[in-house]
Amino acid sequence: KNEVEQSPQNLTAQEGEFITINCSYSVGISALHWLQQHPGGGIVSLFMLSSGKKKHGRLIATINIQEKHSSLHITASHPRDSAVYICAAPLRWKGAQKLVFGQGTRLTINP
Amino acid sequence: NAGVMQNPRHLVRRRGQEARLRCSPMKGHSHVYWYRQLPEEGLKFMVYLQKENIIDESGMPKERFSAEFPKEGPSILRIQQVVRGDSAAYFCASSPSSGGFYEQYFGPGTRLTVT
Repeated sequence: KNEVEQSPQNLTAQEGEFITINCSYSVGISALHWLQQHPGGGIVSLFMLSSGKKKHGRLIATINIQEKHSSLHITASHPRDSAVYICAAPLRWKGAQKLVFGQGTRLTINP
Repeated sequence: NAGVMQNPRHLVRRRGQEARLRCSPMKGHSHVYWYRQLPEEGLKFMVYLQKENIIDESGMPKERFSAEFPKEGPSILRIQQVVRGDSAAYFCASSPSSGGFYEQYFGPGTRLTVT
């Protein structure tokens, strides 16, 4: 069993739809990362959050540390949001954060 | 402030050759992480380094792989005698000093193809 599980694995939606991607983790952490991997392969850090909610433009991330669950929402989705979204849990070890990644959610937004 | 830089972006090696992947962290960052993404698989941790120290190499294959982060210059991930199974995207990320949870900033990756 993966320590970090994402759902769904694949998601196709129409432009304008509200998108939710879920992440559950079994490891004990105090924060979670959401990353975006573009079709070209580059990785961008979207959020790192340890409680509550963060918002950046049309992206919203929430986390419930007690329930070990996080969600990434995209409002008014657009084809340019098509990418793989990855959640990652930092395992605190030897003074650093070794990231354990979910398998990713491949999002396709059709015009 | 330039982001994390990796070079080369694409590297083709024949089986048995050596591959050297370089990573320059963001200015002011002293922690470097290397991750590997095999085709159609997720990202996996390989090694965590600080300047002149390997802190955690639990994700590194036991043979042929090594990493360093010298006092001066970029971090290097070295793969000796490459095999086809080493074909993957290799990403490095950097973060500032420890003491809390810090965002990791990723480089663009090096795509290694072994022929």
